[in-house]
Amino acid sequence: AQTVTQSQPEMSVQEAETVTLSCTYDTSESDYYLFWYKQPPSRQMILVIRQEAYKQQNATENRFSVNFQKAAKSFSLKISDSQLGDAAMYFCAYRSARSYGANSKLTFGKGITLSVRP
Amino acid sequence: EAQVTQNPRYLITVTGKKLTVTCSQNMNHEYMSWYRQDPGLGLRQIYYSMNVEVTDKGDVPEGYKVSRKEKRNFPLILESPSPNQTSLYFCASSLRTGSSYEQYFGPGTRLTVT
Repeated sequence: AQTVTQSQPEMSVQEAETVTLSCTYDTSESDYYLFWYKQPPSRQMILVIRQEAYKQQNATENRFSVNFQKAAKSFSLKISDSQLGDAAMYFCAYRSARSYGANSKLTFGKGITLSVRP
Repeated sequence: EAQVTQNPRYLITVTGKKLTVTCSQNMNHEYMSWYRQDPGLGLRQIYYSMNVEVTDKGDVPEGYKVSRKEKRNFPLILESPSPNQTSLYFCASSLRTGSSYEQYFGPGTRLTVT
């Protein structure tokens, strides 16, 4: 079974600075998808960024980028130019590329709470 | 607007009183799923449905039931709620299973069982 580990429960960043959130995962599969979700105080789950394991290029979405290290099974999220609105809980998640039946689920880490200091 | 809706958003109930949390999507999605979120545990899948009349257990199905009689609706049923089912519940849907399809989440239902 796949597992996702987010070892840092909390992080803090100064507004306009850069912060990196760590995530590691364990899987025996070679083809899969990795995600970062943001959960603000409203509790809505918002997809921030997605990475396909078969792609070597790291995904980027505006101020958000990932460092995907497949061999190390590491998937960190970098937030540049942090804004007050980035304060939220962030979840790393894994999904098998087979994605049928039980493999269709998202496996989540425990989450990390990010605070942004003005 | 494409969305997943859940009702109620907040619910306080007592042990043993049957309840249903509704989930509806307007995107003609085949796949729907329920997750629960607990502090320090992240989100865990309760049940999922590949299509109408096709449902199966996720990782934490005990104490829950689901049904999928219509494509758009996927209610979560707690026939005899217990305090350990106090949690934040999310419904999610995607067009199909398969690698490229994003799962869309509902706004969440905060359930407290006393």
